[in-house]
Amino acid sequence: EAGVAQSPRYKIIEKRQSVAFWCNPISGHATLYWYQQILGQGPKLLIQFQNNGVVDDSQLPKDRFSAERLKGVDSTLKIQPAKLEDSAVYLCASSTVGEVFETQYFGPGTRLLVL
Amino acid sequence: AQSVTQLDSQVPVFEEAPVELRCNYSSSVSVYLFWYVQYPNQGLQLLLKYLSGSTLVESINGFEAEFNKSQTSFHLRKPSVHISDTAEYFCAVTLSGGYQKVTFGTGTKLQVIP
Repeated sequence: EAGVAQSPRYKIIEKRQSVAFWCNPISGHATLYWYQQILGQGPKLLIQFQNNGVVDDSQLPKDRFSAERLKGVDSTLKIQPAKLEDSAVYLCASSTVGEVFETQYFGPGTRLLVL
Repeated sequence: AQSVTQLDSQVPVFEEAPVELRCNYSSSVSVYLFWYVQYPNQGLQLLLKYLSGSTLVESINGFEAEFNKSQTSFHLRKPSVHISDTAEYFCAVTLSGGYQKVTFGTGTKLQVIP
């Protein structure tokens, strides 16, 4: 079974530029999560999708971050414009139906450096 | 809201020695608890979880964790570590019942010394 795929693995941009990350969850998983992991901190949930609907985006900085999951499968997270403090690893995870006790399966992450 | 604290950012230990990684949580209601592991250059993987029932949970690679409600702890232990256990370990908590997001700790880097 293929795992969660993310691309690119690494990205370096200058502040005020835009960037997009892509995630393809495990086949059949209805729930998709995007996390931000800043160096020295644990992952912080940015947004959770159930199929193509948003369940929780309370910690997503909506003035600069956006995410979509149009067909209920893969997803894109965008930052526009980027700030220095956005430097982090962006993790995508998926689970079958999104129950709190379920195992979340994580991708390898995209490491973003904003200069 | 729930929170989780991992006081040790790094834990060095010699190979074949025992190890304990500490995790404390705060919540006034019932919780589910998890330990995730992140090996170098890999994504997070679930190591073990406590949902209900027996307070001692085990993983397939020899780790175990005990849910202690009175001390609000969920420490991870292994009686004898191997080089391959070198990784970063994250404790996580979520409130049981209904939709609740998972809150992760800041992680503990376990360095096994040969």
